[in-house]
Amino acid sequence: DGGITQSPKYLFRKEGQNVTLSCEQNLNHDAMYWYRQDPGQGLRLIYYSQIVNDFQKGDIAEGYSVSREKKESFPLTVTSAQKNPTAFYLCASSPSGQGVGYSNQPQHFGDGTRLSIL
Amino acid sequence: AQKVTQAQTEISVVEKEDVTLDCVYETRDTTYYLFWYKQPPSGELVFLIRRNSFDEQNEISGRYSWNFQKSTSSFNFTITASQVVDSAVYFCALTYLGNEKLTFGTGTRLTIIP
Repeated sequence: DGGITQSPKYLFRKEGQNVTLSCEQNLNHDAMYWYRQDPGQGLRLIYYSQIVNDFQKGDIAEGYSVSREKKESFPLTVTSAQKNPTAFYLCASSPSGQGVGYSNQPQHFGDGTRLSIL
Repeated sequence: AQKVTQAQTEISVVEKEDVTLDCVYETRDTTYYLFWYKQPPSGELVFLIRRNSFDEQNEISGRYSWNFQKSTSSFNFTITASQVVDSAVYFCALTYLGNEKLTFGTGTRLTIIP
């Protein structure tokens, strides 16, 4: 079945350590997104990519980095510069890079990765 | 700037009762899109509905219905004859034409009591 796979489901980070969250999709979608979810704050956009080898900062990009070398993959690195990384991270994809309202089913989401600090 | 307000943080109802989740939005754009997503305990967000600003018809899908009113900037979601499987966090979201960003509300946690 087509979908989005995020791994790992749970991740622990030590102080000063970078960690990378994986996101893979087999939906042949052009656009991919990373969101951060904190209790009581809804979802906030970290980075998004409309095409391969291009990505844009979202609302809370500081302390994070991404790459988009393949259409199917959009890994997120949480760097040591991110001082409060404990959160639930969701990856999403959408068929078109023309705006999330363009398609009738704009974004598919993965199951998420829960990141905690040791 | 766009904003979505879900004033109800948590709601609990007894199974088979009807329940309405409120969503109020703010935008200066004339062409915009509204969404509802469901987040069950497993964590993934499940798309429920998309509505564009030019379509104010109410929508019904099984036990789910949506009431879009531009006059009050609201896009409310009603579950009829609720079931335990409806227990989840529900998010309302907003974007405008050509934009890649979704603005989410803070979500409403719905608990259906058997």
